[in-house]
Amino acid sequence: SAVISQKPSRDICQRGTSLTIQCQVDSQVTMMFWYRQQPGQSLTLIATANQGSEATYESGFVIDKFPISRPNLTFSTLTVSNMSPEDSSIYLCSARTSGGAGDTQYFGPGTRLTVL
Amino acid sequence: AQSVTQLGSHVSVSEGALVLLRCNYSSSVPPYLFWYVQYPNQGLQLLLKYTSAATLVKGINGFEAEFKKSETSFHLTKPSAHMSDAAEYFCAVSDRAGRDMRFGAGTRLTVKP
Repeated sequence: SAVISQKPSRDICQRGTSLTIQCQVDSQVTMMFWYRQQPGQSLTLIATANQGSEATYESGFVIDKFPISRPNLTFSTLTVSNMSPEDSSIYLCSARTSGGAGDTQYFGPGTRLTVL
Repeated sequence: AQSVTQLGSHVSVSEGALVLLRCNYSSSVPPYLFWYVQYPNQGLQLLLKYTSAATLVKGINGFEAEFKKSETSFHLTKPSAHMSDAAEYFCAVSDRAGRDMRFGAGTRLTVKP
């Protein structure tokens, strides 16, 4: 199993600023992901964080807006850049302990972001 | 592309009644299917998963789900609802390559005393 922590748990930010969210896993994991959950909605995959290389972004998400780092097997950051009120959402870090598709995907508690 | 559809954004049951949350999937290859629960202000917790072993899968907290290929369904059930079951439930599908997981829109379960 894997226990995932995120910092900060919540933040209120001004339009035009940037926020970096940290994700720490208590064990080495093969795959890490970042999801967005807008109020009252489901989860949307932003990107897969790749260790030592550029993240793989889903359609509609770009690196300039959501730069991601993953320096090692247990840590990743997501930055929400040049924020607008439309970025208000919960951002969830997720990890899979191995590459197997049937393996459980674990989730962090989320970072609740409000942009004014 | 794979996807899941959850029928009913909101389900309300009485305490002690049967819980049935519906999920249908679309996949061109045999899928892996999951049910997650999200309590208020918390992350997602895995309830159960189907990975092509037994078609009837038992999970935590008394929940179970049955994979029905002919109906492309993976409905979640619990014989007797408890107040603590009130939460948001998400069905999800993953392909065999394990690239990522796609979620349904979610079903909010309310349990009435």
